[in-house]
Amino acid sequence: QQQVKQSPQSLIVQKGGISIINCAYENTAFDYFPWYQQFPGKGPALLIAIRPDVSEKKEGRFTISFNKSAKQFSLHIMDSQPGDSATYFCAASPFFGGGTRLMVKP
Amino acid sequence: DARVTQTPRHKVTEMGQEVTMRCQPILGHNTVFWYRQTMMQGLELLAYFRNRAPLDDSGMPKDRFSAEMPDATLATLKIQPSEPRDSAVYFCASGLVPGGTEAFFGQGTRLTVV
Repeated sequence: QQQVKQSPQSLIVQKGGISIINCAYENTAFDYFPWYQQFPGKGPALLIAIRPDVSEKKEGRFTISFNKSAKQFSLHIMDSQPGDSATYFCAASPFFGGGTRLMVKP
Repeated sequence: DARVTQTPRHKVTEMGQEVTMRCQPILGHNTVFWYRQTMMQGLELLAYFRNRAPLDDSGMPKDRFSAEMPDATLATLKIQPSEPRDSAVYFCASGLVPGGTEAFFGQGTRLTVV
């Protein structure tokens, strides 16, 4: 059973645009929701994380929006840059979503 | 520079052989995770330990996979016998719970079973 569902699987955004990735979970016992960024040949690295008592968290160009009642959360990347091109994973720790491959076109 | 160390980085083996992957978690971390990454399945949680005790290994095929922590500085994942469908990148991650729940990932072991 997939604990965390992530969409879309792939995303192409123009430089300067907004990238949006969505995730949903079922188990209300989860209490930590990180987002990881992974570059080819590397392990995932923490990007930003949120706990369910907060509805939004912003760090630089990255924002997590969290809807506890809907059991959904999303990552917004503002002013997307080619260097943001990577695979992004949401998680309801310790379970990961299926990943989103983001490509930012110059 | 604290980091999770995995060995080997690459492993090619023949079907039926035993494979052992090793992980050295970050010193002081009490939680260790094993994940498998494939194109089709994303990052699957295979097992995780807290204070060396297995907490959940429900994601792991029990007939051929085993995970252990002989001591606080070493975690192992064994596959016996290996099969071509086991080909994947296996990641180890460690974290500190409570006090933080971020998982720090190693570089992974790329396993190819031929």
